[in-house]
This record gives sequence, structure tokens and C-alpha cells, in this order.
Amino acid sequence: LAKTTQPISMDSYEGQEVNITCSHNNIATNDYITWYQQFPSQGPRFIIHGYKTKVTNEVASLFIPADRKSSTLSLPRVSLSDTAVYYCLVGDTNQAGTALIFGKGTTLSVSS
Amino acid sequence: ETGVTQSPTHLIKTRGQQVTLRCSSQSGHNTVSWYQQALGQGPQFIFQYYREEENGRGNFPPRFSGLQFPNYSSELNVNALELDDSALYLCASSADSGSNNEQFFGPGTRLTVL
Repeated sequence: LAKTTQPISMDSYEGQEVNITCSHNNIATNDYITWYQQFPSQGPRFIIHGYKTKVTNEVASLFIPADRKSSTLSLPRVSLSDTAVYYCLVGDTNQAGTALIFGKGTTLSVSS
Repeated sequence: ETGVTQSPTHLIKTRGQQVTLRCSSQSGHNTVSWYQQALGQGPQFIFQYYREEENGRGNFPPRFSGLQFPNYSSELNVNALELDDSALYLCASSADSGSNNEQFFGPGTRLTVL
């Protein structure tokens, strides 16, 4: 199965930009890279996904280089409420179907 | 509010027993995925069902099985429970199969195996 690698934790202050990078090998040619946010005692929540280059929505940007072996989630001007665990997710498609592979997560702590 | 619900919220079982966890998908979604999340770990993919057929499976033994019903609700069954099965079990529904669709997660079922 595909494997992803993320930093275990990151610290930031309110108002700063935070960039979290995920490395992923064996990502399938046609599969997106997706990022989720999870708060304690809740299920993960979708943030953003993309296939290549740059994707931006109202809460984040996602940068994916041409080789697609990594991706970087960018959170502009974080606030205390952005303290959470962030996961990258990739698909691993084979004859049996598609497995969905989450990273181990990056715990982001935002301080005032 | 995601619309994905799971039952029960919490469950306590003993080793060797069997358990059934239930998930109701968000309206309009035909795909459901199940995950196991141990404390402090990322969700581990168990399997995905698309239109009542298994569409992908992670590294879980056959004692983890599932069903998806015509209304796209789903069950996860675990036989011969082991202590290591203690975890949060999450289901997520999406509008289509594979990995390229936004998944909407339920709040999870916390299973404790004694």
C-alpha cells in the first residue's frame, strides 16, 4: 500500500502562515491528494484536495509539485481555532480496488 | 452538520465476542468507507463499499466484514474480538467511489474490548 509521511507536530502563533508537507510514494496516477482536519472526539473534516500545481479555497491552499511525490497544505493567518490534527490522504488503486491511506497526522498547536 | 450518523456511540465488549456497528450515509451518497482509529493514530482504512459491493480493502483480516444496503446505509461487523480492536471506528460517505471525492465523516463509535 502507498505510504505517507508528515511531521508529527508543529507550533505556530496566531496570524502566522503555516505550511505542512506530506510525502507520499506510490500515489496512483489518477488519484487526488486530500487534506483533512480533525478535532478531538470528532470525525475528520475535508479541507482541500488537488491533483497537481496549486489549488486554493476559502480556508487553505494546496501546492503539489510536478512529480506529485509530496504536497504542502498552507493555512494563511492561523487562529487559535486552527489547533487540530491535520492529515493528508492519498489513494492506492490496484486490481482489488482503491485503498484510502491517511498519514499519521500533524498536530498543529496555535498560541496567542 | 454532515448528515452521517453512527450507532452506537460507545460499546463495550469482551474478547471473542462479535460486534456490529452501523452507519447512515449522507443523503445522495452511494459510497461508504470504514476506518479504524486507535488513540493518537491516524485513521486506518478498513474497506469501501460502492453500490453494495466492496470496492477496496485495507490490511485487515477477514473477521472484519461489511455490508451496504440498498439505501446506502452500512454495517461493519467484527468477529472474534481482540483487545487490539479497541478503537474509534469511523464511517464516511461520499458521492462516488475511489479516493477523489470529499468524504463526510460521522462522529464515530468508540469500541472497548475487555
